[in-house]
Amino acid sequence: IVLTQSPGTLSLSPGERVTLSCRASQIVTNIYLAWYQQKPGQAPRLLFYGPSSRATGIPDRFSGRGSGTDFTLTISRLEPEDFAVYYCQYYDRPASVTFGGGTKVEIK
Amino acid sequence: EVQLVESGGGLVKPGGSLRLSCAGSGFTFSSYSMNWVRQAPGKGLEWVSSISATSSYIYYSDSVKGRFTISRDNANNSLYVQMNSLRAEDTAVYYCARQSRDPYGNYGLDVWGQGTTVTVSS
Repeated sequence: IVLTQSPGTLSLSPGERVTLSCRASQIVTNIYLAWYQQKPGQAPRLLFYGPSSRATGIPDRFSGRGSGTDFTLTISRLEPEDFAVYYCQYYDRPASVTFGGGTKVEIK
Repeated sequence: EVQLVESGGGLVKPGGSLRLSCAGSGFTFSSYSMNWVRQAPGKGLEWVSSISATSSYIYYSDSVKGRFTISRDNANNSLYVQMNSLRAEDTAVYYCARQSRDPYGNYGLDVWGQGTTVTVSS
């Protein structure tokens, strides 16, 4: 399974709304699709278990949805700390894990 | 505090070997499958290997199969990866990550270490 994230880079201003896309090359089992945030010099941080179940401490301005092959991550109002790279990931049970190429959200 | 701490990275020549370690604390290490994920400089995340809680199931990416060996010692809350026949393209930050499920069965890698850097160069 290949995960394609688009766009590669987004230039936005604080306060804007953003939706990131993750498309799978074939239909996937939703509960195994997760989202991560990574800031420069830091380890990735889990945002969502499955496509829409927020991990501990993730603010509710973050939302995830999707099914089948199309998944989205939305940040309703960008805060300065949200500028980062976002990855989707699929657990192709039992033997493989795939990451998307990432979407960088940068300050305009 | 739930924590993972990697160690063992460094500079190694092509063809050489290195063993990375990951120490878990603050949770029941033996109850979780664990993963190694790497990130080459300026690149995205790449899954390397996973091991089930009791070491019964072990999986590798095609890029490391036959060269890397994952293992764990639950008595000492530790995860390892033995890396042999290292290549320049193995240069990366290596993260260990805990595999978990939320109460609804959704999957995620919910705890990550800070990473350890492996550089393969002559």
